Amino acid sequence: EPEVTQTPSHQVTQMGQEVILRCVPISNHLYFYWYRQILGQKVEFLVSFYNNEISEKSEIFDDQFSVERPDGSNFTLKIRSTKLEDSAMYFCASSEVWGFSNQPQHFGDGTRLSIL
Amino acid sequence: RKEVEQDPGPFNVPEGATVAFNCTYSNSASQSFFWYRQDCRKEPKLLMSVYSSGNEDGRFTAQLNRASQYISLLIRDSKLSDSATYLCVRMDSSYKLIFGSGTRLLVRP
Repeated sequence: EPEVTQTPSHQVTQMGQEVILRCVPISNHLYFYWYRQILGQKVEFLVSFYNNEISEKSEIFDDQFSVERPDGSNFTLKIRSTKLEDSAMYFCASSEVWGFSNQPQHFGDGTRLSIL
Repeated sequence: RKEVEQDPGPFNVPEGATVAFNCTYSNSASQSFFWYRQDCRKEPKLLMSVYSSGNEDGRFTAQLNRASQYISLLIRDSKLSDSATYLCVRMDSSYKLIFGSGTRLLVRP
């Protein structure tokens, strides 16, 4: 069964450094998402992306965050200057169709980001 | 009021038991609903979509009541492997997912 893959599985970074989290969505999917989950809290939406542009972003997704689809397969999340509170699991998701009900999103197994 | 509200549990049940989880949501314009399952420190995995007519997948039955803004998940004949956190999720009008905090299920031998 096709799956969303994410790398690295764990990233440890000093506060203030830049990090790039990578995702390879399912190949025929056109809609991509990033979510995060702080330890012990619920999963929160960060950003959605379609046709090489951001469709929607949450309040969490401030100027320190950016997303990019640099080639036909990768989808990246960059945090320019990390803060302690960015420590979380970051999940990438993709879906096949936009605009129809009941089209589920499929999640990668996440990148655990630890900011020191 | 939280957008998606769930009883955090834990629900501690013996193998073979039937267990039901409920979820309420606050936005009546919500398009679609799902149950996801999340194991400790893992990604959410889609369990099933939820339809107004009710739908069943093996031992799992989901129900949506739009009038009451209420969703349920019933698990019959619980297995040890069903132990996980069950996430009630709604898709809003812009197609992003809004997650509940989850209900934890522990199935004991």
